[in-house]
Amino acid sequence: EVQLVQSGAEVKKPGESLNISCKGIGYSFATYWIGWVRQRPGKGLEWMGVIFPRDSDTTYSPPFQGPVTISVDKSTSTVYLQWSSLKASDTAIYYCARQGAGYLDLWGQGTLVTVSS
Amino acid sequence: EIVLTQSPDTLSLSPGERATLSCRASQSLSSLAWYQHKPGQPPRLLIYGASSRAAGIPDRFSGSGSKTDFTLTISRLEPEDSAIYYCQHYSDSHPTFGQGTKVQIK
Repeated sequence: EVQLVQSGAEVKKPGESLNISCKGIGYSFATYWIGWVRQRPGKGLEWMGVIFPRDSDTTYSPPFQGPVTISVDKSTSTVYLQWSSLKASDTAIYYCARQGAGYLDLWGQGTLVTVSS
Repeated sequence: EIVLTQSPDTLSLSPGERATLSCRASQSLSSLAWYQHKPGQPPRLLIYGASSRAAGIPDRFSGSGSKTDFTLTISRLEPEDSAIYYCQHYSDSHPTFGQGTKVQIK
């Protein structure tokens, strides 16, 4: 079955670092862009950025350039979203999604990140 | 940044009725998608290329429009269509989503 499987929910304190992951299964992982989408509590969807696993080419939406890092490990078909210093405002559900020709045709189940002191 | 404005914010209709959702762009687009998002689930692609249905999507969902004005139509609402619907452009390297339209089934 073709799917994206994300890592589990996280509870962190402000200032802590965090990596969440997204593993592609059942398709040619290296040849599709993988993007990240944020949904803050009670809010809409925000496109954060995208990475092309074959060559690690990465593009960020301007608000997310700097606060997060998107990376990939081709050997395990896994894309990562990383924070070096979390803030309470990073509390959200984060979805990874396969980006074919620009649209997002396959989504992970989402990872809830809670940042609270 | 291209801004997408969806209307209305909320639509409350009965089963069997027709729902018309609008997405207006701040500049002309080459590509637009629509997604359905239900609580506790990831979003689901409905429409891409403004009017092409994604795999497995019922034909009661249809998309139309071009340039700056796009429409998602649900021809005969069913109870399971209760969700938030988002448009998304992918005309450049910084895609954005609209703010969403909530569809409530009476």
